[in-house]
Amino acid sequence: DIQMTQSPSSLSASVGDRVTITCQATQDIRNYLNWYQQKPGKAPKVLIHDASNLETGVPSRFSGSGSGTDFTLTISSLQPEDVARYYCQQYDSLPYTFGQGTNLEIK
Amino acid sequence: EVQLVESGGGLVQPGGSLRLSCAASGFTFGFYAMSWVRQTPGKGLEWVSVINSGGGSVFYGDAVKGRFTISRDNSKSTLYLQMNNVRAEDAAVYFCAKGGHSWYAGFGNWGQGTLVAVSS
Repeated sequence: DIQMTQSPSSLSASVGDRVTITCQATQDIRNYLNWYQQKPGKAPKVLIHDASNLETGVPSRFSGSGSGTDFTLTISSLQPEDVARYYCQQYDSLPYTFGQGTNLEIK
Repeated sequence: EVQLVESGGGLVQPGGSLRLSCAASGFTFGFYAMSWVRQTPGKGLEWVSVINSGGGSVFYGDAVKGRFTISRDNSKSTLYLQMNNVRAEDAAVYFCAKGGHSWYAGFGNWGQGTLVAVSS
């Protein structure tokens, strides 16, 4: 199985900061990676598909990059509504696997 | 608008059975693979099972293989998960999630989840 390792596991930043979350796969997953945002009590919501494509309706301050084994989710200017848990997920091969998540808080 | 509405969760005894359903609307259900994903506080998100658009191909995570069965009724736009021989570690919120036309797709839409509790 492909293991997905996210870092950091938690992050505290100020409004307006640039925030970066990384995700590393144990083998080449091409660009078959999604980023999700999950707020408490809610279902995950896809932000980025195919590693770098912004989902319709997602603010442009979110961006994704990477291919192969190393990926990054960036928030260019952190907003209060971005407080959430973020997950990466690979769909290059079954079983689909998720990173362990990153808790993002406002400082 | 895509909507996925899960139902069927509840309290089940260890060794018991439960059937979850996911009613889909807002898209052509029979064109898309569908998955079940579960979430526990301690383990984050865990993919459970996937079924292809026609229902002829299914895959399971190792944790549920041989105990859970995924199925779908495209005429009713409904996805199912039959859970047998349920264990304590199966307690979680279960989400249904819309995949793509092939296996190489993430989950573009999720339901709100249904809670499965396991206790005697």
